[in-house]
Amino acid sequence: DVKVTQSSRYLVKRTGEKVFLECVQDMDHENMFWYRQDPGLGLRLIYFSYDVKMKEKGDIPEGYSVSREKKERFSLILESASTNQTSMYLCASSLGDRANEKLFFGSGTQLSVL
Amino acid sequence: DAKTTQPNSMESNEEEPVHLPCNHSTISGTDYIHWYRQLPSQGPEYVIHGLTSNVNNRMASLAIAEDRKSSTLILHRATLRDAAVYYCILRDGVSGTYKYIFGTGTRLKVLA
Repeated sequence: DVKVTQSSRYLVKRTGEKVFLECVQDMDHENMFWYRQDPGLGLRLIYFSYDVKMKEKGDIPEGYSVSREKKERFSLILESASTNQTSMYLCASSLGDRANEKLFFGSGTQLSVL
Repeated sequence: DAKTTQPNSMESNEEEPVHLPCNHSTISGTDYIHWYRQLPSQGPEYVIHGLTSNVNNRMASLAIAEDRKSSTLILHRATLRDAAVYYCILRDGVSGTYKYIFGTGTRLKVLA
């Protein structure tokens, strides 16, 4: 089975801190994604990457950046955390076969910014 | 991106079939219909997907209308473990877009 592992289940940070959320997948998937999930708003795409060192903005990239130096690892960076970035963050990966592509998600990181 | 419309919530009795509807009137010819579900405190998981024909797997069945403007996810015998938020998503199977637009889904409550 595909495993997508997020480094922390819960994280508490202070306003202005630089925050790194790490995600690792073990199935050699081409594509990786970062979403945030907020009550009443569903899942919203922040950034995605379709290859090493390649990235594209999703629907809400402001305040975030990403890094993909190795195929298996996709990092989400909050340069200066703010309270409105308190949210559940979900990482996902997919193989890249567009017709039969399936997303595999990690368990999520609940980030609280105080 | 083509959008989907789902009811906010539904209820079902345990061991009865559940039909979860999804409208996608602006679907294009190359859009696949995907369903994911999110159990409490977990990330979403893949359920099923299809293009034109009805599809079955061990988790569920997907019934697609002839005009493809709507689809229905069918859980044949709901269990308490099926209580989750179910998302219907359109996914272009041809173009280079990698986006999955999730929306807010349908919260399914299963009554014992």
